[in-house]
Amino acid sequence: EAGVVQSPRYKIIEKKQPVAFWCNPISGHNTLYWYLQNLGQGPELLIRYENEEAVDDSQLPKDRFSAERLKGVDSTLKIQPAELGDSAVYLCASSYRGADTQYFGPGTRLTVL
Amino acid sequence: GNSVTQMEGPVTLSEEAFLTINCTYTATGYPSLFWYVQYPGEGLQLLLKATKADDKGSNKGFEATYRKETTSFHLEKGSVQVSDSAVYFCALRGYSTLTFGKGTMLLVSP
Repeated sequence: EAGVVQSPRYKIIEKKQPVAFWCNPISGHNTLYWYLQNLGQGPELLIRYENEEAVDDSQLPKDRFSAERLKGVDSTLKIQPAELGDSAVYLCASSYRGADTQYFGPGTRLTVL
Repeated sequence: GNSVTQMEGPVTLSEEAFLTINCTYTATGYPSLFWYVQYPGEGLQLLLKATKADDKGSNKGFEATYRKETTSFHLEKGSVQVSDSAVYFCALRGYSTLTFGKGTMLLVSP
């Protein structure tokens, strides 16, 4: 069974530029999560989807971050414009609805110069 | 709100030494508890979990017991290997989301 796929694995951009991250969850997983992991910290939830609906986006900085999950499968997280403080690893995870266990992708490491 | 506190690292051990990584939590209700491991350059992998008080999770020689009276979920392994070198995260699941600790780096030398 294929795991959670994320791309790109690494991205370097200049501040004020836009950037997008893509996630393909495990087949059949209704729930998709985007997490932010700063250096030396644990992951923090940005947004949670149940199918195509964003059911928890309370921690998503909506002035510059946006996300979508069209058709309830793949998801894209976007930052526009990026700031220096956005340098971090962005993790995607998925699970069956209501299940305890989340499965994580390898993450995208973003560096903003 | 929910929170998880882990011992700071790095924890440096020789191969075959005994490992303990402390984890305590604050939560309302009865959360499920988890240990995730992150190897260099990889995503988080579930190591073990426990869903109710006194449950013991175990996997790959690692164990942790859900202690409600002390709000703890300490990770232990009797004999570590070099391949266990990684960052270990304690986490709890409340209603639907995971709350993670800051992670503890483990370095095992031959």
